[in-house]
Amino acid sequence: DAGVTQSPTHLIKTRGQQVTLRCSPKSGHDTVSWYQQALGQGPQFIFQYYEEEERQRGNFPDRFSGHQFPNYSSELNVNALLLGDSALYLCASSFGGQAVITEAFFGQGTRLTVV
Amino acid sequence: DQQVKQNSPSLSVQEGRISILNCDYTNSMFDYFLWYKKYPAEGPTFLISISSIKDKNEDGRFTVFLNKSAKHLSLHIVPSQPGDSAVYFCAALGNAGGTSYGKLTFGQGTILTVHP
Repeated sequence: DAGVTQSPTHLIKTRGQQVTLRCSPKSGHDTVSWYQQALGQGPQFIFQYYEEEERQRGNFPDRFSGHQFPNYSSELNVNALLLGDSALYLCASSFGGQAVITEAFFGQGTRLTVV
Repeated sequence: DQQVKQNSPSLSVQEGRISILNCDYTNSMFDYFLWYKKYPAEGPTFLISISSIKDKNEDGRFTVFLNKSAKHLSLHIVPSQPGDSAVYFCAALGNAGGTSYGKLTFGQGTILTVHP
């Protein structure tokens, strides 16, 4: 049973460019959340997708957008990249519905470096 | 506004002894707390959790204690093993009038080093 998989694992982009990160949730999970982890900090919630819609959003600008596909996989898009967007981007999957979601399973992350 | 804080950036412990990792929170709407462990080049892995209706939860060598009045939780690892060396994050879930939908609020993490 594959866990949460993210691609690519590493990425280098130039300021002003756009980037797309991808995530496949754990088998049986239908909810995907994205987190940004800056160096030396804890992960920060970006947004969550359930039933192909953004269900909840953290304190991130509109440059950060996402999408969820019918197979529950998800993409995170960041436009007009800034140096400060350099971070580890983590995807977490869980089973949604109306119940409170507890333990989420994380992927290994995508390390984005903006130069 | 850091709603979940881990004030100790690092902790060093001898193998076989107890490791105690601490976490404080400010938001009284948090009602579920989790601890994650993270190795380099891997995503966080769930360790143990506790609901706000409890004050203690045990799972093998890991015990989490919650003091709601002090808005404080701690993770005890007994006995500590070198393989426990990792970054430990505490995280909180809120239930502000409805389901929290799994938005985790994390602390900054504590680097635990267990020496043989």
